[in-house]
Amino acid sequence: DSGVTQTPKHLITATGQRVTLRCSPRSGDLSVYWYQQSLDQGLQFLIQYYNGEERAKGNILERFSAQQFPDLHSELNLSSLELGDSALYFCASSVEANTGELFFGEGSRLTVL
Amino acid sequence: DAKTTQPNSMESNEEEPVHLPCNHSTISGTDYIHWYRQLPSQGPEYVIHGLTSNVNNRMASLAIAEDRKSSTLILHRATLRDAAVYYCILIKFNAGGTSYGKLTFGQGTILTVHP
Repeated sequence: DSGVTQTPKHLITATGQRVTLRCSPRSGDLSVYWYQQSLDQGLQFLIQYYNGEERAKGNILERFSAQQFPDLHSELNLSSLELGDSALYFCASSVEANTGELFFGEGSRLTVL
Repeated sequence: DAKTTQPNSMESNEEEPVHLPCNHSTISGTDYIHWYRQLPSQGPEYVIHGLTSNVNNRMASLAIAEDRKSSTLILHRATLRDAAVYYCILIKFNAGGTSYGKLTFGQGTILTVHP
């Protein structure tokens, strides 16, 4: 158990819909990361937050947005969903923003029909 | 960013040592070598990291070539639970110890462990 909690574990929705994925980092961790894992793209970095502020951005679509709240939990919002958005979405956390040691949650599996 | 090259797959028998290679011929002086693994149906898990010297921890050992252009993750006695995808990742840090950012995962090496 990494200490990172993600909900929901599974989500099935239709194209065009909007979903929110939630992540609670390990106790004491200030930095949160979101990753997407699909069969054809592998693990892709989406975005990083540190203590509420956006720190780094990866290949995140404009239809996707994220935020980190004062209690340090984070949410990833996915809108206007397409079939290709079906993937595993992982959240990770770390104590600092400047580290290579991340702790990953078990992921949220999104299926878009 | 410097790239890493790993074999697509490797096989091992239980209780035997496993040496997982990684080539990173364009590594720069500020790149740390990190290894992660991903067990089936789980998120990636940090294994070990190093800069120049060999490193050991409870999970594995990391052997780094003198010219740093390659490294090897060593599992001393493979168990069935070690069957996973192993990722070798370079992370750049500047002189102040600040990472330039995110982990870039390649395809990794699929390790199969036979009983």
